[in-house]
Amino acid sequence: QVTLKESGPALVKPTQTLTLTCTFSGFSLRTSGMRVNWIRQPPGKALEWLARIDWDGDKFYSESLKTRLTISKDTPKNQVVLKMTNLDPIDTATYYCARTPGRNVNWFDSWGQGILVTVSS
Amino acid sequence: DIQMTQSPSSVSASVGDRVTITCRASQGISRWVAWYQQKPGEAPRLLIYDAWTVHSGVPSRFSGSVSGTEFTLTISSLQPEDFGTFYCQQATSLPFTFGGGTRVEIK
Repeated sequence: QVTLKESGPALVKPTQTLTLTCTFSGFSLRTSGMRVNWIRQPPGKALEWLARIDWDGDKFYSESLKTRLTISKDTPKNQVVLKMTNLDPIDTATYYCARTPGRNVNWFDSWGQGILVTVSS
Repeated sequence: DIQMTQSPSSVSASVGDRVTITCRASQGISRWVAWYQQKPGEAPRLLIYDAWTVHSGVPSRFSGSVSGTEFTLTISSLQPEDFGTFYCQQATSLPFTFGGGTRVEIK
């Protein structure tokens, strides 16, 4: 059974750096083709893809946010970490991690429950 | 970036009705679209990928199709548990983009 779970702070001050951790089970980033993504959703709004890290260490970012994002993985711990710098209230959203299960696919078959992050002073 | 324009933004239908949701891509993307259902307070759930392939465990009343750059999600007979917001996603190139969502309400 594949599970993912996000963890991190619920409240962050403007200009601070946000660090979110996705801890997963039921699959491994040692497996060829496996990928983990970060996707966010502001309250009442649509989904926005942020970043992806692949089994081979390749990293991809949203062009509009790439200067503020860093994605990394700890394969033995089954964790993926997303760092976002210089937070602003417009970054208030629920942040999800989600799996892409193969080399030639780009959809998300398993999602974490999400973590609501509020940016406020 | 590829834009996904979804319509309608909301629909209210009765149990047993046929419901159709459409997404139009801003450029040709072959069949690389996925559909998700999101219930309030929950994460999205994958329903369909590659335009018409129904994901494991998803009821057969959900189906997908494509004509050119227009993608369609159809619920053949709406059930009480089919409420929520439905999103399309283009899966052809980075950055992956989503439609604005269609809220489905059960009358």
